Amino acid sequence: DAGITQSPRHKVTETGTPVTLRCHQTENHRYMYWYRQDPGHGLRLIHYSYGVKDTDKGEVSDGYSVSRSKTEDFLLTLESATSSQTSVYFCAISDGTQRSNQPQHFGDGTRLSIL
Amino acid sequence: AQKVTQAQTEISVVEKEDVTLDCVYETRDTTYYLFWYKQPPSGELVFLIRRNSFDEQNEISGRYSWNFQKSTSSFNFTITASQVVDSAVYFCALSEGGTSYDKVIFGPGTSLSVIP
Repeated sequence: DAGITQSPRHKVTETGTPVTLRCHQTENHRYMYWYRQDPGHGLRLIHYSYGVKDTDKGEVSDGYSVSRSKTEDFLLTLESATSSQTSVYFCAISDGTQRSNQPQHFGDGTRLSIL
Repeated sequence: AQKVTQAQTEISVVEKEDVTLDCVYETRDTTYYLFWYKQPPSGELVFLIRRNSFDEQNEISGRYSWNFQKSTSSFNFTITASQVVDSAVYFCALSEGGTSYDKVIFGPGTSLSVIP
């Protein structure tokens, strides 16, 4: 299994509070990603990172920010959580050392409920 | 624009039956990559296969086989002699070549239930 750890695994919080999810990898992979999974939508990319301090937006980035200060850690922050951000969040990593679109490997997910 | 369609939302089969999960994709690139992932009830996402656009050979891995047809933009997945452990949500995904990162677009998934 790819060495990816997401924390916390479950969180319940209230609307308007800030929330930070952490993804930690031990594979030294260049690329890291945050997705959300919702019924009927599959996985949708929120943000991704292609190196330390290098990040960019995905297709559903509104309301989210990210930071990557070290190769191994990628943080996802909801500045002011809303009920529409209730979802399961997955972190993924990929090697990216070749231009051959390596498969992404996923963490176990974080189930976030915003009341 | 990239798009992945999995028209089958839910499928139920009886154990030992064969089942095919459909995946149709759209892309303007000539270089692209297709993936299948499995998400069992425990929730993790498991990578199953990657296929590039230049390789149309079908692939078989045990009870799993994949049929890639560029002419119909399809990358279908067949499970032979299904088992209860095959019950999961299966995602087809597409990545276009030449991007600066491994961006992947996922289909909505097909939920497979294998009934004993």
